[in-house]
Amino acid sequence: DAMVIQNPRYQVTQFGKPVTLSCSQTLNHNVMYWYQQKSSQAPKLLFHYYDKDFNNEADTPDNFQSRRPNTSFCFLDIRSPGLGDAAMYLCATEWSKGTDTQYFGPGTRLTVL
Amino acid sequence: AQTVTQSQPEMSVQEAETVTLSCTYDTSESNYYLFWYKQPPSRQMILVIRQEAYKQQNATENRFSVNFQKAAKSFSLKISDSQLGDTAMYFCAFMKHATSGTYKYIFGTGTRLKVLA
Repeated sequence: DAMVIQNPRYQVTQFGKPVTLSCSQTLNHNVMYWYQQKSSQAPKLLFHYYDKDFNNEADTPDNFQSRRPNTSFCFLDIRSPGLGDAAMYLCATEWSKGTDTQYFGPGTRLTVL
Repeated sequence: AQTVTQSQPEMSVQEAETVTLSCTYDTSESNYYLFWYKQPPSRQMILVIRQEAYKQQNATENRFSVNFQKAAKSFSLKISDSQLGDTAMYFCAFMKHATSGTYKYIFGTGTRLKVLA
């Protein structure tokens, strides 16, 4: 079945130790998004790719980077995680810009010790 | 700037009853989309229903329907015949139409719905 897959589902890292979260999609969608969702809060958009065109939100910390090596995969790199970065990270895809529904992955819950 | 407000942080409803979740938004745009997403505990967020602003007819999807009042900027979700599986966090979201330029989802803060047996 076509879907959005996130790995790992749970990630534990230490304060300051780089971590990479992965998202893959079989929907062949052009747009991929990364959101940060803290407990009982709305998802907050970090950045998105339209094809290879990267778009960063103005308030996304420099600590967060992203890579999209091909249509199917997108990575979220947190260079030096702080305690405040503990959250659920959601990946979503969309066929094209602002034209359709976003499809979400199950999320990766990041714990920072 | 667009904002989305969900004024009910938590709600509960008896199984088989009807419940309405409220959502208001603020925008100066005329073309946009509105969505309700459901996020069950420890499960992924899925689309419940969507509404194009240019359509006057309220969207319906089985037991889910919306009351879209464009002038009042209100977009409430009605769940009929509530089921235990409807227990989830519900997010209202606004998205500008692509022809308006920039776009993205603006989410409300969510309403946690619990369906009681």
